[in-house]
Amino acid sequence: GAVVSQHPSRVICKSGTSVKIECRSLDFQATTMFWYRQFPKQSLMLMATSNEGSKATYEQGVEKDKFLINHASLTLSTLTVTSAHPEDSSFYICSARDLPGDNSPLHFGNGTRLTVT
Amino acid sequence: GDSVTQMEGPVTLSEEAFLTINCTYTATGYPSLFWYVQYPGEGLQLLLKATKADDKGSNKGFEATYRKETTSFHLEKGSVQVSDSAVYFCARGSQGNLIFGKGTKLSVKP
Repeated sequence: GAVVSQHPSRVICKSGTSVKIECRSLDFQATTMFWYRQFPKQSLMLMATSNEGSKATYEQGVEKDKFLINHASLTLSTLTVTSAHPEDSSFYICSARDLPGDNSPLHFGNGTRLTVT
Repeated sequence: GDSVTQMEGPVTLSEEAFLTINCTYTATGYPSLFWYVQYPGEGLQLLLKATKADDKGSNKGFEATYRKETTSFHLEKGSVQVSDSAVYFCARGSQGNLIFGKGTKLSVKP
């Protein structure tokens, strides 16, 4: 089945530094990947849609200069949290489809737990 | 806009009890419907799906039927196990993405 790999699974960084999170589709090509942030009490928030070879589409309220997304190949999207602050601490999850269309499910990475101290 | 509403948890059950987690969706178009499960510390995994009215998705003893007349996709399992303890998300397809409910945490006690 389709596998999405996310790395690292956990990262601790100091306030003011930047952190890069990678999302890879291991056995399929993904022209589009999605980045979510999961808040306490489970709620999932779509942050942005990553498009291979073009700019990401950000959801309202998400700072594109803070959350930099690069989708340089059909199997890799990266999310960089720049100048991280403690309030950026969260669980970040990426996902992608191996088949086109709304009928096909999203496949999720295992998430990255970011802690900013 | 499109939305998904699912019952708030947490839900605590004893092993072998019957499970129902309610989910309703806004009826814009004819979306595909999904249930995802998230085990502690992990990402989301697809549990089951249904793509049209009256379809029944099933997996690992879980079932959900796409009910167009009630715009519902309730998740059921006849006999839960401790290993079913997780957070369950209902979702609908929408313009290339998925819209999720807020998740329902299930705890199953031995």
